[in-house]
Amino acid sequence: GQQLNQSPQSMFIQEGEDVSMNCTSSSIFNTWLWYKQDPGEGPVLLIALYKAGELTSNGRLTAQFGITRKDSFLNISASIPSDVGIYFCAGLIATGGGNKLTFGTGTQLKVEL
Amino acid sequence: NAGVTQTPKFRILKIGQSMTLQCAQDMNHNYMYWYRQDPGMGLKLIYYSVGAGITDKGEVPNGYNVSRSTTEDFPLRLELAAPSQTSVYFCASSYKSSSGNTIYFGEGSWLTVV
Repeated sequence: GQQLNQSPQSMFIQEGEDVSMNCTSSSIFNTWLWYKQDPGEGPVLLIALYKAGELTSNGRLTAQFGITRKDSFLNISASIPSDVGIYFCAGLIATGGGNKLTFGTGTQLKVEL
Repeated sequence: NAGVTQTPKFRILKIGQSMTLQCAQDMNHNYMYWYRQDPGMGLKLIYYSVGAGITDKGEVPNGYNVSRSTTEDFPLRLELAAPSQTSVYFCASSYKSSSGNTIYFGEGSWLTVV
């Protein structure tokens, strides 16, 4: 199946720092989605990107759909303790048979006060 | 705002037992999905459905079955539970807007097979 390489695997940062994580793929996607998952919860959608080159913000979060359609990054500015969690990228291919979503392996974010 | 609702939240099964994980969405989404998530890993697609009466296999379908008799419901059945099926199961649904596709997840069902 398709592989999504997400990096870094984990980050340990100071409160107030900016955070950057990215995903790369060997395949082209129609859509990139970024999710956050807290312990014991399901993934919650943060940002959806639908066009190559698209740059979208959601509060302190900014994500971009790479021009090649094979990569995406997520930035978090001025991190706060509640940003702790696991962040997943997901690439989506919309085919006639349905939407195929492939997940990255996640970036675990830990914030030090 | 119910969204995607999964039941049960937690379940312990003995090897060889059967059970059904329920999933319902009230957003009138055509597409529904079942994923499993193993510790420290991303989600893997088990089965998906593009509409009532239509289902198809995902990446890891073995040991599972699904049905989609209505737009709202997409139950996942385990016929002969095995320890390898110990995992967290997430149901999801999606729609296609003028912008593109967006997928929303339920809160998960934690299953342990002993």
